[in-house]
Amino acid sequence: GENVEQHPSTLSVQEGDSAVIKCTYSDSASNYFPWYKQELGKRPQLIIDIRSNVGEKKDQRIAVTLNKTAKHFSLHITETQPEDSAVYFCAATNQAGTALIFGKGTTLSVSS
Amino acid sequence: DTAVSQTPKYLVTQMGNDKSIKCEQNLGHDTMYWYKQDSKKFLKIMFSYNNKELIINETVPNRFSPKSPDKAHLNLHINSLELGDSAVYFCASSLSAGTGVQPQHFGDGTRLSIL
Repeated sequence: GENVEQHPSTLSVQEGDSAVIKCTYSDSASNYFPWYKQELGKRPQLIIDIRSNVGEKKDQRIAVTLNKTAKHFSLHITETQPEDSAVYFCAATNQAGTALIFGKGTTLSVSS
Repeated sequence: DTAVSQTPKYLVTQMGNDKSIKCEQNLGHDTMYWYKQDSKKFLKIMFSYNNKELIINETVPNRFSPKSPDKAHLNLHINSLELGDSAVYFCASSLSAGTGVQPQHFGDGTRLSIL
């Protein structure tokens, strides 16, 4: 079945720096790649997503890039702020295209 | 208005008991999911229902039984609770996955603690 690897597991940056989180997936049929942010004790919230027919998508300080050939996608956060501190999860569709398989998460800490 | 609501928010109970968690969504979605998030924060799909029909059952012990009375509700009943069932259970919903997985909206979670 689909397997999603996410790196790094923890990431510490200074306020204003950029942060990059990378994910790889195993099933070449996967066609939808969302990113979720989960603050402590809260629900996962969708922050950005990308479909397989697009290589890059941007929303203000957040961008996602997708390389279908290499089967990897990345989240880029620019001008980080303390409120960006959270656990970030990448996900990809399963083989049947009916569910999401999540990476193990990256704990991002932004210090001021 | 909460889009995906779960009850209860916290559930503390003893090993061997039977308990239920309820989930309701008011987004007009027709696909609902249950996820388990363990102490290491791993989010794993358990079940998925589309228009009240089970479409995913991911090697979950048969002590876990989902029920969907209508497409706006998906409940989870757990029999003979074990220590390893302690986790946060998230309900989520999306539009039909028939044309590919759609963005999923999560509830606030139910934190289950087994004593």
